[in-house]
Parts: sequence; structure tokens; C-alpha cells
Amino acid sequence: GNSVTQMEGPVTLSEEAFLTINCTYTATGYPSLFWYVQYPGEGLQLLLKATKADDKGSNKGFEATYRKETTSFHLEKGSVQVSDSAVYFCALTYPPFQGAQKLVFGQGTRLTINP
Amino acid sequence: KAGVTQTPRYLIKTRGQQVTLSCSPISGHRSVSWYQQTPGQGLQFLFEYFSETQRNKGNFPGRFSGRQFSNSRSEMNVSTLELGDSALYLCASSLVGQGTGEQYFGPGTRLTVT
Repeated sequence: GNSVTQMEGPVTLSEEAFLTINCTYTATGYPSLFWYVQYPGEGLQLLLKATKADDKGSNKGFEATYRKETTSFHLEKGSVQVSDSAVYFCALTYPPFQGAQKLVFGQGTRLTINP
Repeated sequence: KAGVTQTPRYLIKTRGQQVTLSCSPISGHRSVSWYQQTPGQGLQFLFEYFSETQRNKGNFPGRFSGRQFSNSRSEMNVSTLELGDSALYLCASSLVGQGTGEQYFGPGTRLTVT
């Protein structure tokens, strides 16, 4: 079946450090890939997405590139801020034309940024 | 556009009781999905509804059920509550036939079973 694996957390960095959170997936065909972020006490917010190989999703300084050959979608940010402290989830689904929609999530990575 | 709304935000129930959670999707979104989030199991898919029909169901017991109304609003019901049902229940809505499959989440309902 389809699955997503994220790097183990928690991750603690200093402000302005470079961030990478690894994500790999197992799926047939061509899923859409997403990063969601969850702040304390809130639901999930869509951070960025990519729908085909070599697509780069970006938002708020975060980036991730859809790598079909390595089945990966690693999240990166060049300079993190305290406000980036949250839990990050990698996820996949198949677009509507490929059937019923269901997101498959990784286990989440808790990120803490110290000032 | 208003986002996905969920009511109530917090609930405390006793074992054996039942509970109904409500979700209103983003205007124009006709697909509604439900997820359970727990520290141990992470985010798990419960079910998805489109046009008042359940299209997909996760691996949960029959105590978990849902429905969707003609205005796309959805409810989920959990009967005979168990301590293990304590979780954050998230509702998400999405466009169907367009877009890339992304889903937009509500703030969740925090259910505590005592």
C-alpha cells in the first residue's frame, strides 16, 4: 500500500539555521505530494504541494522538490525563525481524477527553533 | 472564503456514551474527509464523503460512522465510546474534479473520553 516515511524527530535548531526534514514515499503511479504544518492547538495548514516529477513547491521560504527517481519530497528552509516551531507532516494523495481522495501522512516531525 | 469549521471544539464524554461531531466545508467543496489524530497512531483516515455518499473508509470499527448532507456539511458519530477514542478529530474538505487533491483542514474537535 501507499506509505510515507519522515525523519525521526524532534528536531531542534537555532534561529537562522538551515532546515531539512526528510520525507520518502511508497506509492504506485503518480501521487500528489504535500507538506502540512500544525501549530499547537490548531488543525493542519497546507504549506506547499507538488503534483508531478521535478515540480518544486514553495511557500513562506520553505521549498520541496518532487523527486520521482528517489521517491522523496524533502522539506528545506534556508533560515528558520522561532515562529517556524511546529509539527510538520509529509503526505500524499491521488488527484481527484484517479479516484476517491485520501491523504496518507507520515508520522510528523516536531521542530523547535531556539532564539 | 471562510475556512472549514468544526463544532464543538472540545468535548468530554464518558465511556459507553455516543458523540456527534459536525463539520462545515469550504464553500464549493463537495468532498469531506475525517481523520483521527493521536500521539500513538498519528493521523489516520476515517472516511470520505462526496455527494452524500461514502466513497472511502479507513480501518476503524463500525462504531465510527458518518454522513454528509445535501449542502456538503458532514457529521461523524462514535457510539459506545472507549477510552482509546480520545483524540483530535479533524475534518478536511476539497474540490473534486479540479485541483491537485489537496485538502483543507478545520481546527479539529478535541474529544476526551473518561
